[in-house]
Amino acid sequence: AQSVTQLGSHVSVSEGALVLLRCNYSSSVPPYLFWYVQYPNQGLQLLLKYTSAATLVKGINGFEAEFKKSETSFHLTKPSAHMSDAAEYFCAGKHQGAQKLVFGQGTRLTINP
Amino acid sequence: EAGVAQSPRYKIIEKRQSVAFWCNPISGHATLYWYQQILGQGPKLLIQFQNNGVVDDSQLPKDRFSAERLKGVDSTLKIQPAKLEDSAVYLCASSLVALSGQETQYFGPGTRLLVL
Repeated sequence: AQSVTQLGSHVSVSEGALVLLRCNYSSSVPPYLFWYVQYPNQGLQLLLKYTSAATLVKGINGFEAEFKKSETSFHLTKPSAHMSDAAEYFCAGKHQGAQKLVFGQGTRLTINP
Repeated sequence: EAGVAQSPRYKIIEKRQSVAFWCNPISGHATLYWYQQILGQGPKLLIQFQNNGVVDDSQLPKDRFSAERLKGVDSTLKIQPAKLEDSAVYLCASSLVALSGQETQYFGPGTRLLVL
């Protein structure tokens, strides 16, 4: 069964520093993987998605993620954090042809001035 | 393009009362999802509709939760009677189709429910 694990429920970085949010998946078949961001009192917004076309995926707001099959990982990065990046980030995945999107537990990103 | 609309945004009820949430998906989106997001957790799928048919309701507590999408557009989710553990954000999402797995789900702002 597909499962998604996010390492670290809370990550804190300084403004301008590298952002790294970790996501690992368990799957016996190649998955589709997504990163969503949730700002306070709002719904989820898609940042980027992996659909097997390219292992390095670029998303909105300067974020990108790299699919590494050997490590079963899909970590989210941004070279330079901005105060507006403070939010909750969710990694999610599903199998090809599967109906259900499975979410990780989320990582709250805090940006220090 | 208008996004997914949900109402109400907030609801406070006492346990054993009933409550209903409404969702209007993006125009043309055949697939509609209801998720429950408990504080500190990721969203959990409750039910998925394809047009007006149920595709997956395996995690819907059917003794107290019900959902419908009668005309294949709007949907309502009802809880009757509510329990304290139902306090959560209820998110509605929609997508064009759900055949390949690649489709993007677009989320509404959610309804925050507090059961006292």
